[in-house]
Amino acid sequence: SQQGEEDPQALSIQEGENATMNCSYKTSINNLQWYRQNSGRGLVHLILIRSNEREKHSGRLRVTLDTSKKSSSLLITASRAADTASYFCATDARGSNYKLTFGKGTLLTVNP
Amino acid sequence: GAGVSQSPSNKVTEKGKDVELRCDPISGHTALYWYRQSLGQGLEFLIYFQGNSAPDKSGLPSDRFSAERTGGSVSTLTIQRTQQEDSAVYLCASSEGFNQPQHFGDGTRLSIL
Repeated sequence: SQQGEEDPQALSIQEGENATMNCSYKTSINNLQWYRQNSGRGLVHLILIRSNEREKHSGRLRVTLDTSKKSSSLLITASRAADTASYFCATDARGSNYKLTFGKGTLLTVNP
Repeated sequence: GAGVSQSPSNKVTEKGKDVELRCDPISGHTALYWYRQSLGQGLEFLIYFQGNSAPDKSGLPSDRFSAERTGGSVSTLTIQRTQQEDSAVYLCASSEGFNQPQHFGDGTRLSIL
């Protein structure tokens, strides 16, 4: 079955640096979403990119999508300690407009 | 406005007991989802409700699991005869419709002794 897989599993950076996380998936999608999860909390939606889009920005977030490589990247610029969280990509398979498949996430630690 | 609310936030119970988990979605959201998250893992889809349509139960792991959504709003996830492998965080999400961003509650952490 289709699954988004994030890479790396864990990432540790200094405050002010940029953080890049990658996601790969297996089958055609309608859209791809990125979520953030703080420890012990639910997921927070960050950004949705549709299959016909290549890049999307939201504040310090930049998401790219390459459907030919079945991959996406999430870039967080000028990171802050408050960005420390797990980040998940979720894919919405073509023909299944509601069922999101989540990867296992990237644990990002931003050191002050 | 109010987000997705789940209760209880924590539940500890003995193996073999039944448990009920509750989800109050965002008002007006027609779609409601249940997921399960085991330690250090991603989310596993369980069940999806959309308006008055029949729910998609394809993710429920066994017939011990069931869910209802009353009046198109509140949902309860019931696990009968709980087993230790049912221990996980159960997350509920709602959205304005399919193909829309999902808004999550903080989950119920279920521990089966």
